[in-house]
Amino acid sequence: ELLESGGGLVQPGGSLRLSCAASGFTFSDFAMTWVRQRPGKGLEWVSTISSSGGITYYADSVKGRFTLSRDNSKNTLYLQMSSLTVGDTAIYYCAKDSGVPAAYYFMDVWGKGTTVTVSS
Amino acid sequence: ELTQPPSVSVSPGQTARITCSGDALPNQYVYWYQHKAGQAPVLVISKDRERPSGIPERFSGSTSGTTVTLTITGVQAEDEADYYCQSSDNTGTSLFVFGTGTKVTVL
Repeated sequence: ELLESGGGLVQPGGSLRLSCAASGFTFSDFAMTWVRQRPGKGLEWVSTISSSGGITYYADSVKGRFTLSRDNSKNTLYLQMSSLTVGDTAIYYCAKDSGVPAAYYFMDVWGKGTTVTVSS
Repeated sequence: ELTQPPSVSVSPGQTARITCSGDALPNQYVYWYQHKAGQAPVLVISKDRERPSGIPERFSGSTSGTTVTLTITGVQAEDEADYYCQSSDNTGTSLFVFGTGTKVTVL
């Protein structure tokens, strides 16, 4: 199971940290991903982190503003978001990498999402 | 980029077909997710045509050239949802790419 938290209302230019608590699987064995859905739009990949946390990937739209990290001792994934814009308003979903046939093919477990609203 | 029709409407018991088109698809696996509002997305098809454990047999996948298709045979009211295809991004600009999404409406 994946449970996201940390969403809320923030002003443009502000910061927010999302968390994703994982349970029911060996968290440290799998890469993890954030996907977002802007209002009225489809799913959009945001960022992925390797199982160890040593490698991160970002969509161009968030590169330099978002930082993905994980604490494998706490089974928790974090997304630090800064310099937020109205365009970052979305539901943010945490997702577990399947690990099959290797990492970075698809996600097999998703959370229900947390809503981020950027508005003045 | 993966292109899907915006909407598909089908009567209960009929067959819904959702296409996903992309130039790179002959060289990539495609995965399909069902997404209902307020819920977590659910993987319904893996590697073009494999059905994960727990997914009803009415969900199937096929592929032909640059187009992959999700077929729901004998649609039920509970199948009303948004459906997204997804593959790996081979352009080097991102890790994953999602289709534009298809809203399936059960009449």
